[in-house]
Amino acid sequence: GDSVTQMEGPVTLSEEAFLTINCTYTATGYPSLFWYVQYPGEGLQLLLKATKADDKGSNKGFEATYRKETTSFHLEKGSVQVSDSAVYFCALNGSGGSNYKLTFGKGTLLTVNP
Amino acid sequence: KAGVTQTPRYLIKTRGQQVTLSCSPISGHRSVSWYQQTPGQGLQFLFEYFSETQRNKGNFPGRFSGRQFSNSRSEMNVSTLELGDSALYLCASSPEAATNEKLFFGSGTQLSVL
Repeated sequence: GDSVTQMEGPVTLSEEAFLTINCTYTATGYPSLFWYVQYPGEGLQLLLKATKADDKGSNKGFEATYRKETTSFHLEKGSVQVSDSAVYFCALNGSGGSNYKLTFGKGTLLTVNP
Repeated sequence: KAGVTQTPRYLIKTRGQQVTLSCSPISGHRSVSWYQQTPGQGLQFLFEYFSETQRNKGNFPGRFSGRQFSNSRSEMNVSTLELGDSALYLCASSPEAATNEKLFFGSGTQLSVL
C-alpha cells in the first residue's frame, strides 16, 4: 500500500538558518504530493503541493520538488523564522481507487529559536 | 466564510462508553473526511463521505462508524471505547467532487479515554 516516510525530528534551528525536511514515498501510479503544516492547537493547513513529476510547489518561502526518480518530495526554506515553528507533514494522494484519502508521514516538529 | 467546525473541542470518557463527534464543513463543501491523530501512529485515515455516501474507509475496527447528513454535516461515532482510542480526531472538508487535493481541516476534537 501507499506509505510516506519523513524525518521525524525534532529539528531545532536558529532564525535565518536553512531548512530541509526529507520525505520519501511509496505508491502505485502517479500520486499527488503535499506538505501540510500544523501550528499548536490547530488543525492542518495545506502549505504546498505538486501533482506531477518535476513540479515544484512553493508557498511562503517554502519549496518542494516532486522527484519521481528518487520518489522524494523534500521540503526546503532558505531562511526560517520563529513563526515557522510547527509540525510539518508530508502526504500523498493515491491515484485510482484510493483517491479519496491522504496518506501522511508521521510529522516533523520544527522549533526555530530567535 | 466560516472554517470547518468541530464539536466538542475536548471530551473525556471512560472505557466502554460510546462517543459521537460532530463536524460542520465549510459552506458548499460536499466531501468530509475523518482522521485520527496520535503521537505513536501519526495521522490515520478513518473514512470519507461525499453526498451522504461513504466512498472510502480506513483500517479501523467496526466500533468506528460515521455518517453524513443532507446538509453535508458529518458525525463519527466510536462505541465501546478503549484506552487506545485516546487521540485528536480531525475532520476535513473539500469542495471537490472527484479529488481530495484541497483539504481544509478543523481544529479537532481531543478525546481522552480513562
